[in-house]
Order: sequence, then structure tokens, then C-alpha cells
Amino acid sequence: GQSLEQPSEVTAVEGAIVQINCTYQTSGFYGLSWYQQHDGGAPTFLSYNALDGLEETGRFSSFLSRSDSYGYLLLQELQMKDSASYFCAVIGDNTNAGKSTFGDGTTLTVKP
Amino acid sequence: ETGVTQSPTHLIKTRGQQVTLRCSSQSGHNTVSWYQQALGQGPQFIFQYYREEENGRGNFPPRFSGLQFPNYSSELNVNALELDDSALYLCASSLTSGRFGQETQYFGPGTRLLVL
Repeated sequence: GQSLEQPSEVTAVEGAIVQINCTYQTSGFYGLSWYQQHDGGAPTFLSYNALDGLEETGRFSSFLSRSDSYGYLLLQELQMKDSASYFCAVIGDNTNAGKSTFGDGTTLTVKP
Repeated sequence: ETGVTQSPTHLIKTRGQQVTLRCSSQSGHNTVSWYQQALGQGPQFIFQYYREEENGRGNFPPRFSGLQFPNYSSELNVNALELDDSALYLCASSLTSGRFGQETQYFGPGTRLLVL
């Protein structure tokens, strides 16, 4: 099976940097994705790591270490609109019959 | 916007009824996954379709079934609705290739189902 753990809540101030960690257990997966979800909305794709290392997309960066079963999402220059839930997810490979698994989400609150 | 569309946006049904939800994939994508998201939880994987065949299934009973059509659009059917089926139903499309496997998924806006 697959499981992912991430902190339930994180609070930071506007302009700061915040890191949301994700540890996982899986027998095989294609990559680690990160999604943002505002209340009532659908998950929006933020970043994807198929390989180990850092991927940077504007204010958002994501990191993956397969040897440590660990990844993180880094949000820089926080803005009030970044207040949302953030989910890490693995896309299972053929050993997991294409099954995708999401973490329970991290609620980020950005304060002025 | 992702280019993934879902219909209807909202739906109210009564217990025991049947429902069909629809999803159109993003252009160029050949894989569709369906998720159920209850309030305050992460999306739970229902099943995935690749080239019109079911390619993986989560822990959902057989009354949850699906189809994928030649144009890669998809349907989710739920029979004998229960109160606990009330949730946001999301479809996500992605590209699966022989070289890179399955790439990341892009979600549609979802269908909010209320079962009374």
C-alpha cells in the first residue's frame, strides 16, 4: 500500500518562507506531486518531482529524495492568497496498479 | 484552467438512487482518475482508466463503476446511493507513456453530490 504523512497545520506571516514536509511509504511510484486547494475549490497542480532534487516554479519549489522517502514544498514571499490546503500525492507505478494516494493535507494560514 | 471539465457541478439525490458523473479530459491526455473528497479530507482514489480499461482501483465497493470512451472522456456511476456518498467528486486527467509512465494529474472543478 501507499501512505503519506504531512503536518496538519502551518502558520506563517506575509513575506516569509514556509516549508511543508511530506514523508511517504510506497513500494513504487512515478513521482511526487503537490497541489493547492482553496475552500470549496478543486486541487490545483503546483509542482511535480519525477526525479530526486529540486524543482522551481516561481515562488514555489519542491524537493524529492527517494532514498529518504521524503519531499517538501517550499513557498517563498508568502502572500495572503497562499492561505489554503496543500496536498502531497504519489502516483503509483505498475506495482501499485496505477493507484494514486494523497496525504491528508496541510492547512497553511498566512497572517499579515 | 486545466482544460478538464466535469458535469454537473452540483447534484442532489436521495438514498438508493443512481447517479452518473461525467468528465472530459485535457487534450492529449489518455488517463483519467476519479477521486472522492469528503469535507476536511484529502482526495480518496476511486479508480483509474487508461485506454478504456480500468487500470487500478481503491477501496470502494463495486457499486462505484466507471467507463472511459475512445475520446478519453469518462463517466463515474454510483448505484444504490448512501448518505456517506455525499462528497466532492473529482476527476483528474494525465498522460501515461511507455517512456515516462504516468505524469502528473490535472483536476477538473469537481461535482458536489449531496445524498438526502
